[in-house]
Amino acid sequence: EVQLVETGGGLVQPGGSLRLSCAASGFTFNTYGMTWVRQAPGRGLDWVSIIDPSGTYTYYANSVKGRFTISRDNARNTLYLQMNSLRAEDTAIYYCAKKAGAGSSSSRWFDPWGQGTLVTVSS
Amino acid sequence: DIVMTQSPATLSVSPGERATLSCRASQSVSSNLAWYQQKRGQAPRLLIHDASTRATGIPARFSGSGSGTEFTLTISSLQSEDFAVYYCQQYDNWPPYTFGQGTKLEIK
Repeated sequence: EVQLVETGGGLVQPGGSLRLSCAASGFTFNTYGMTWVRQAPGRGLDWVSIIDPSGTYTYYANSVKGRFTISRDNARNTLYLQMNSLRAEDTAIYYCAKKAGAGSSSSRWFDPWGQGTLVTVSS
Repeated sequence: DIVMTQSPATLSVSPGERATLSCRASQSVSSNLAWYQQKRGQAPRLLIHDASTRATGIPARFSGSGSGTEFTLTISSLQSEDFAVYYCQQYDNWPPYTFGQGTKLEIK
């Protein structure tokens, strides 16, 4: 069974940093792209970033470009999101999800999703 | 960026009845569209991909249709566990991947 478990959320002051982790199991981690999607309280889903299986290619939403860095450790089956220069508007539950298809597959939807970790940016 | 617009924002339907949710893309996304269900306090769950293909384990009462810019999620004979928020997402032209704002399906 595929499992994704996010950790690392918490309360941080504006301008601060936080690193989220997503521990993956139940599939061959190094053959799938992985993504982060966030959801502000009471709001909809907002795509943040995606990384290819090898970690070579990364893409970001304009709202986080230059502040967030996605990475992965395939030896540890773990996905990361380094978040710097945090703003109040970054407050959200952050979900990691697996891209459905392996490698460069056209199966680009997200399945499954982890349970999420809450990031609160406030002074 | 492709903008996804869902309607209605809230849909009130009685158990056992049919629900029809709409999703419109600002430009064609071919059939590269997914639907997700999110229950309160839970992560989103994939229902439909490629506009009309049910994900593994999804009941047959869920069906998706459409292509290009107009899409529909239909839930026939609503069960109590179906009352949730539903999101559409395009994965045709990325980045960014974009989601609709969601339709809340509530009990009438």
